[in-house]
Amino acid sequence: QVQLKESGPGLMQPSETLSLTCTVSGFSLTSNGVGWVRQPLGKGLVWMGTIWAGGSTNYNSAVQSRLSISRDTSKSQVFLKMNSLQPEDTGTYYCARQDYYSGAVFDYWGQGVMVTVSS
Amino acid sequence: DVVMTQTPVSLSVSLGGQVSISCRSSQSLVHNNGNTYLSWYLQKPGQSPQLLIYKVSNRFSGISDRFSGSGSGTDLTLKISRVEPDDLGVYYCGQGTQYPLTFGSGTKLEIK
Repeated sequence: QVQLKESGPGLMQPSETLSLTCTVSGFSLTSNGVGWVRQPLGKGLVWMGTIWAGGSTNYNSAVQSRLSISRDTSKSQVFLKMNSLQPEDTGTYYCARQDYYSGAVFDYWGQGVMVTVSS
Repeated sequence: DVVMTQTPVSLSVSLGGQVSISCRSSQSLVHNNGNTYLSWYLQKPGQSPQLLIYKVSNRFSGISDRFSGSGSGTDLTLKISRVEPDDLGVYYCGQGTQYPLTFGSGTKLEIK
């Protein structure tokens, strides 16, 4: 079955670079896109960016200058890197499979990883 | 950016009852190809969001027919009938018509 699992450090300091990994199974990264969605504690969902089956990417302009999404298809892994972290980047980060032909819908989600940015 | 406005912010319903959640967008969600890319998600307490409905009215795999989506343009609705205890949580609408992809701020469903 389709599964996604995020991993990465839970605590970061301001100005550091966040690196998260999404390991997927049950589908191929060359067949589906994978996106990252952030959820500040107790708040709503914010799309950050997506890497598509062909390897192209789309980013939210709000974080585009700080964000990079890449992948290793041989390892079924998608990577998020975001620099210049600030306390407002604190939240739960989800990776989710996306279906391009259904309007970039997020059809399967990982469990999420909580990231806290604090000095 | 397309702003998604959900109402109400919260609602309480008795088991077996019916509720409707509204999602209004600041711009039409009709894509150039004629499709309307509006989805609904449910985030149960302590869990990740899960997809319920996509392209306005299509139920995702395994989703009960108690959930139905409707609407067009900028005015979309999720209806839940015969509410069950497992339906509690926060419901989000999300649009995929235009970048950046955006979500509504959520509607919290509580069971009386």
